[in-house]
Amino acid sequence: ETGVTQTPRHLVMGMTNKKSLKCEQHLGHNAMYWYKQSAKKPLELMFVYSLEERVENNSVPSRFSPECPNSSHLFLHLHTLQPEDSALYLCASSQAQGNTEAFFGQGTRLTVV
Amino acid sequence: GQSLEQPSEVTAVEGAIVQINCTYQTSGFYGLSWYQQHDGGAPTFLSYNALDGLEETGRFSSFLSRSDSYGYLLLQELQMKDSASYFCAALSGAGSYQLTFGKGTKLSVIP
Repeated sequence: ETGVTQTPRHLVMGMTNKKSLKCEQHLGHNAMYWYKQSAKKPLELMFVYSLEERVENNSVPSRFSPECPNSSHLFLHLHTLQPEDSALYLCASSQAQGNTEAFFGQGTRLTVV
Repeated sequence: GQSLEQPSEVTAVEGAIVQINCTYQTSGFYGLSWYQQHDGGAPTFLSYNALDGLEETGRFSSFLSRSDSYGYLLLQELQMKDSASYFCAALSGAGSYQLTFGKGTKLSVIP
């Protein structure tokens, strides 16, 4: 238990579906992140939020839409995904953006069919 | 761009010592972190080096040479539970602070 909780743990969705991934951190951190982890590839940073403001969007397709309603919650809204978007999506938080120690959730294993 | 290179797989015997190397090319480099991830689990932070030299934390040590753009993670007295993937990650401040991860090294500890 790292203090970062992600739901659901597993998700299968069709290419025309809309779904959302949820992340909640109980650590009082000010920065939250979405990462994508695919087999044989590095963790890819998707989005960074600091104090609920998006500060980084690493050229992520618009079919991924983040939302940070408060410093404890982060969502990733998904729509019209492609099979190549199947991956493990990890949420992380840190005390502040740029802190070297990030705390990760268990991830959501997403399969797009 | 930012990139980190590390071996994809390493196998070592229980009780032995193993070193996992990482070379990096990043702009605005601040330091190097190491994370451990067991199958099906979340990455967990192990160490961070901002300065050259060796940092020791129990059985694990991490080393950094900024002039060589190189670091390593040293695991001593290997245990079966150390079987996991290990990621190096560079903290850089180019634009805004972010961690860039390597592809990870899968360590298998055998009896």
